[in-house]
Amino acid sequence: ETGVTQTPRHLVMGMTNKKSLKCEQHLGHNAMYWYKQSAKKPLELMFVYNFKEQTENNSVPSRFSPECPNSSHLFLHLHTLQPEDSALYLCASSQTESNEKLFFGSGTQLSVL
Amino acid sequence: DQQVKQNSPSLSVQEGRISILNCDYTNSMFDYFLWYKKYPAEGPTFLISISSIKDKNEDGRFTVFLNKSAKHLSLHIVPSQPGDSAVYFCAASGLFGNEKLTFGTGTRLTIIP
Repeated sequence: ETGVTQTPRHLVMGMTNKKSLKCEQHLGHNAMYWYKQSAKKPLELMFVYNFKEQTENNSVPSRFSPECPNSSHLFLHLHTLQPEDSALYLCASSQTESNEKLFFGSGTQLSVL
Repeated sequence: DQQVKQNSPSLSVQEGRISILNCDYTNSMFDYFLWYKKYPAEGPTFLISISSIKDKNEDGRFTVFLNKSAKHLSLHIVPSQPGDSAVYFCAASGLFGNEKLTFGTGTRLTIIP
């Protein structure tokens, strides 16, 4: 495995479900990110972790809860989401938090019913 | 308020011709600019970048031009190839890459054989 791997690729969940998105990077990077891409909108930064510590929470609702147990793994725990949360969720990593080059995973396409 | 704008959602270009993708920004503190390319079902991948101390950066068939006074940058692909068909995202950051990236909405480029 190389690069940034995200699972699952697709997820359909009801508004009362709890699910988690997983991201793993095999690049030896120290910074990891969650981005949200909604249709016809720019990529929105959600969270940043640097050396396992959260350094940015971009005013994300608490129904999204990130977890970074180590520099290689990043999770996004989802709870009581809304239909407007349906989007492509992208994980990325970079060597450091000065992120001129991000390496993205393929994303999880989330549908909230 | 979108600080990075890609006003053309789509562009079609004949194979072998030049593709020109445009990006405008409003934040004068931006000083580092990047282009990412995204194929369907894959995450964005870094393509080329330019810092504000330059007005041109070239890498093979790809050239990025920066016009700081107009707050405008463009990506030129010449000659265009079918494999260039993808969505192209413009991104910008401040402090020479040490601030978080702000992305545009993307332009879907289709190369016609």
